[in-house]
Amino acid sequence: EPEVTQTPSHQVTQMGQEVILRCVPISNHLYFYWYRQILGQKVEFLVSFYNNEISEKSEIFDDQFSVERPDGSNFTLKIRSTKLEDSAMYFCASSARIISYNEQFFGPGTRLTVL
Amino acid sequence: KQEVTQIPAALSVPEGENLVLNCSFTDSAIYNLQWFRQDPGKGLTSLLLIQSSQREQTSGRLNASLDKSSGRSTLYIAASQPGDSATYLCAVRLNLRYGTSYGKLTFGQGTILTVHP
Repeated sequence: EPEVTQTPSHQVTQMGQEVILRCVPISNHLYFYWYRQILGQKVEFLVSFYNNEISEKSEIFDDQFSVERPDGSNFTLKIRSTKLEDSAMYFCASSARIISYNEQFFGPGTRLTVL
Repeated sequence: KQEVTQIPAALSVPEGENLVLNCSFTDSAIYNLQWFRQDPGKGLTSLLLIQSSQREQTSGRLNASLDKSSGRSTLYIAASQPGDSATYLCAVRLNLRYGTSYGKLTFGQGTILTVHP
């Protein structure tokens, strides 16, 4: 069964460093998302992406964050200068289309630890 | 702003019991509602998706209902098993306008379910 994959599973970085989290969405999906979950808190929406552009973003997704689909398979989230409060589990999700049956499928997550 | 609340926060039951998890949301203009399962330190597994025009969805021992006008959904788990132990998350997608939505899901805090043998 097709699934969303994410790499790395765990990333440790120093405050101020840039990180890139990678995702491979399900192959025929067109809509891509990033969410995050700080330990013990709710899963929070960061950004949605379609047709090579951001369709919606939350207030969390400031100019330190960026997303890209560099080729036909990968979807990346970049944090330019990490802060301690960026430590969280980051989930990538994809769906076949926006309207109608838009079941979102999530990857296993990348645990980001900022020291 | 859409707020999603799940009760109870935690539930511990003996194996074999039928149980109900509750989800409520403040803005009834939703496009759909999705129930997920999350195992400790793992990703989210989609269990059921209910469109706003539907009243319920079933998958195996799981049944989810939706009452959009009152802002509530329930997840019913029949004949619970120890393998059902996990956190169950409810998420809603807002109906922005003209029947479309950009896909953002708003999550509840989750219900931590423990089923003991």
